[in-house]
Amino acid sequence: QVQLQESGPGLVKPSETLSLTCTVSGDSITSGNYYWSWIRQPAGKGLEWIGRFYTRGSLNYNPSFKSRVTISVDASRNQLSLQLTSVTAADTAVYFCGKEGGYGESYWGQGTLVTVSS
Amino acid sequence: SPELTQPPSVSVSPGQTARITCSADSLPRQYVYWYQKKPGQAPVLVIYKDSERPSGIPERFSGSTSGTTVTLTISGVLAEDEADYYCQSPDSSNTYRVFGGGTKLTVL
Repeated sequence: QVQLQESGPGLVKPSETLSLTCTVSGDSITSGNYYWSWIRQPAGKGLEWIGRFYTRGSLNYNPSFKSRVTISVDASRNQLSLQLTSVTAADTAVYFCGKEGGYGESYWGQGTLVTVSS
Repeated sequence: SPELTQPPSVSVSPGQTARITCSADSLPRQYVYWYQKKPGQAPVLVIYKDSERPSGIPERFSGSTSGTTVTLTISGVLAEDEADYYCQSPDSSNTYRVFGGGTKLTVL
């Protein structure tokens, strides 16, 4: 059974870069036909889709993040990463990483809270 | 980008049927996915591709479509079904995903 664990600084200063890592166990992040995604949820608000890596070799991002977001994969460490630049208080949220497939496969980490504050 | 509209809240008594709608504002309509989200927990996919149920999801969860509106139906609602439910769909070119605003299901 695949397990995902998000990690990274819980506090980031405004205008700096938020960097998170999703460590995957029980599966290979580059094999099969799956999407590895990031979503987030600000406190008291709804879910927001950030972006995803497709194992067949594509990256997709939510246009609302414009050029601030980068998702990358480290196959040697079996990790998915998220970088969000020029953060503001509006980026304070719980960030989740997940794996999804075309037949209802869906696995998510427990999430990590990132607070943007000086 | 597509917009998905959900009612902010739905309330039902235990054993009743809850229906949560998701209306897409653009055509062609893409498949809709439904997620259950409880506080402090990871999201759970309960319906994919409009009406397919993932392995392990109880049969009381079902999905249906009518035009540009997709409905999540929970039959025989249990107290444990109280949660926020989000629909999600790809954009018209299937390059990114959008969530609806979410519906809080209250089991009275």
